[in-house]
Amino acid sequence: GENVEQHPSTLSVQEGDSAVIKCTYSDSASNYFPWYKQELGKRPQLIIDIRSNVGEKKDQRIAVTLNKTAKHFSLHITETQPEDSAVYFCAATDSWGKFQFGAGTQVVVTP
Amino acid sequence: DGGITQSPKYLFRKEGQNVTLSCEQNLNHDAMYWYRQDPGQGLRLIYYSQIVNDFQKGDIAEGYSVSREKKESFPLTVTSAQKNPTAFYLCASMSDALQPQHFGDGTRLSIL
Repeated sequence: GENVEQHPSTLSVQEGDSAVIKCTYSDSASNYFPWYKQELGKRPQLIIDIRSNVGEKKDQRIAVTLNKTAKHFSLHITETQPEDSAVYFCAATDSWGKFQFGAGTQVVVTP
Repeated sequence: DGGITQSPKYLFRKEGQNVTLSCEQNLNHDAMYWYRQDPGQGLRLIYYSQIVNDFQKGDIAEGYSVSREKKESFPLTVTSAQKNPTAFYLCASMSDALQPQHFGDGTRLSIL
């Protein structure tokens, strides 16, 4: 089955700097890669996603890149703000709809 | 997402007791999922259902049971066989493949 590894587990950045989180996956059949943000005690919420026919996608300060050959994808947050502090999860799934989530990255943005 | 309702928000279980967590969605989604989240950890799949009257075990199904009698509802029972049930339980639904999962607000289960 699919295995998703996520790094780093914690990430501390100064406000205004960029944050990068990386995920690798094992199943070459995976073709959909969402990223979720979860604040303490709340539900995960989708922030951006990418499908396998696209290499990069951007939404304001957030971007995701996908390298299908190397089986890795990354989340980039630019100009970080204190409200970006949360846990971020990557996931990979195939056409069967079974998601495999990474272990999460705790992002702390310090003013 | 307002379309997925989990209840109760907090639940306490006594030794030897089965408890049921409710998950209802009005998004007309075919697929529904149950995840367990432990402190500082990711989401682990318990059970999932892609169609009414059918469901499959996830990675950590032991000690849990589910039913899917209606498209809108996917209740999870935590049985007495689950010896370490304390966790945050999240229900999710999805319209079809290559679409995001939408999550409920979760149920926090503790042992008395």
